[in-house]
Amino acid sequence: GENVEQHPSTLSVQEGDSAVIKCTYSDSASNYFPWYKQELGKRPQLIIDIRSNVGEKKDQRIAVTLNKTAKHFSLHITETQPEDSAVYFCAAGPSNTGNQFYFGTGTSLTVIP
Amino acid sequence: DAGVIQSPRHEVTEMGQEVTLRCKPISGHDYLFWYRQTMMRGLELLIYFNNNVPIDDSGMPEDRFSAKMPNASFSTLKIQPSEPRDSAVYFCASRDLANEQFFGPGTRLTVL
Repeated sequence: GENVEQHPSTLSVQEGDSAVIKCTYSDSASNYFPWYKQELGKRPQLIIDIRSNVGEKKDQRIAVTLNKTAKHFSLHITETQPEDSAVYFCAAGPSNTGNQFYFGTGTSLTVIP
Repeated sequence: DAGVIQSPRHEVTEMGQEVTLRCKPISGHDYLFWYRQTMMRGLELLIYFNNNVPIDDSGMPEDRFSAKMPNASFSTLKIQPSEPRDSAVYFCASRDLANEQFFGPGTRLTVL
């Protein structure tokens, strides 16, 4: 089945700097790659996604890139703010092995004021 | 739309008791997922439904766990009997045909 790996597990940046989180996946049939932000005690919230027919997508300070050949995708947050502090999860799917998403293990991002 | 609705938001019970968690997906979403989240194991998929039919329950930890979806607007996850190691946050999520998946607020379960 699909295997999603996410790095780093923790990340600290100074306010205003950029943050990059990277994920790899194993199933070339996966065609949708969402990113979720989870604040402490809250639900995971969809913040951005990218489909396999697109290489890059941007929404204000957040961007996601996808390299299908290398099977990796990344989340880029620019001009980070303290409210960006949260755990971020990547996911991949659906694929030939099923319609579920396979989630990465999460990255705890801390933005230092 | 109110989003995915879950109840109760918090549940504290004693070992051996039956626990029932409830979920109302977003109207029109064809897929419904039950997840469990703990610090040790992260986010685990327990089971998912497509058009009310269970598709994959391989993540259900053992026979004490069962899930149903009697109609398109309601699903339950039942644990009987409950054990302390079942303590976790249980999320329900629903997904539309465009693959956008939204999570409910979760149920924080504590089994004493």
